[in-house]
Amino acid sequence: DTGVSQDPRHKITKRGQNVTFRCDPISEHNRLYWYRQTLGQGPEFLTYFQNEAQLEKSRLLSDRFSAERPKGSFSTLEIQRTEQGDSAMYLCASSHFSGQTYEQYFGPGTRLTVT
Amino acid sequence: KNEVEQSPQNLTAQEGEFITINCSYSVGISALHWLQQHPGGGIVSLFMLSSGKKKHGRLIATINIQEKHSSLHITASHPRDSAVYICAVTGNQFYFGTGTSLTVIP
Repeated sequence: DTGVSQDPRHKITKRGQNVTFRCDPISEHNRLYWYRQTLGQGPEFLTYFQNEAQLEKSRLLSDRFSAERPKGSFSTLEIQRTEQGDSAMYLCASSHFSGQTYEQYFGPGTRLTVT
Repeated sequence: KNEVEQSPQNLTAQEGEFITINCSYSVGISALHWLQQHPGGGIVSLFMLSSGKKKHGRLIATINIQEKHSSLHITASHPRDSAVYICAVTGNQFYFGTGTSLTVIP
């Protein structure tokens, strides 16, 4: 296993269209996280899963955003009716318990541009 | 007010200099992370700390739980260290600093 992968790496879409991103975590990791990062800012937490259960969602995650992890392996993040403000890097991370806490491993990100 | 504050925001250093980046946080945490992000977006986890000090090569990270403060030190800096360094904490939620952009000049 070579790490967390995300697909696509880049997505350009027109305002109002729906987009879906995929994240494949490191295989033995039971936690999976989604973050959003806009230019010049640090990542912002969106949501995370433990196995297939979505345990926490940020207030940033409006009802246009939905995330799933149906079999506790890969996850998808869908944005409906995209807006220009959705343009950002969407980062996925996975983690396992390291004895004290969960250490996260990040994917390369999906850069979304909404025109 | 941000839950995680980093300083400085931008840092330029000559190759070989000793570098310190600071992080202060205002929430209860179970761990603090130092992350490195290169242009293009890839993030690498450098350290995860819950107490004391960790060292990896030329990088040293320290944390003072009582003062809610952490520092990342780079000894003998090199141009390949140029990147954005992000402090993040995990507690009830996940909080990130806005990052410190480091440029090391040959």
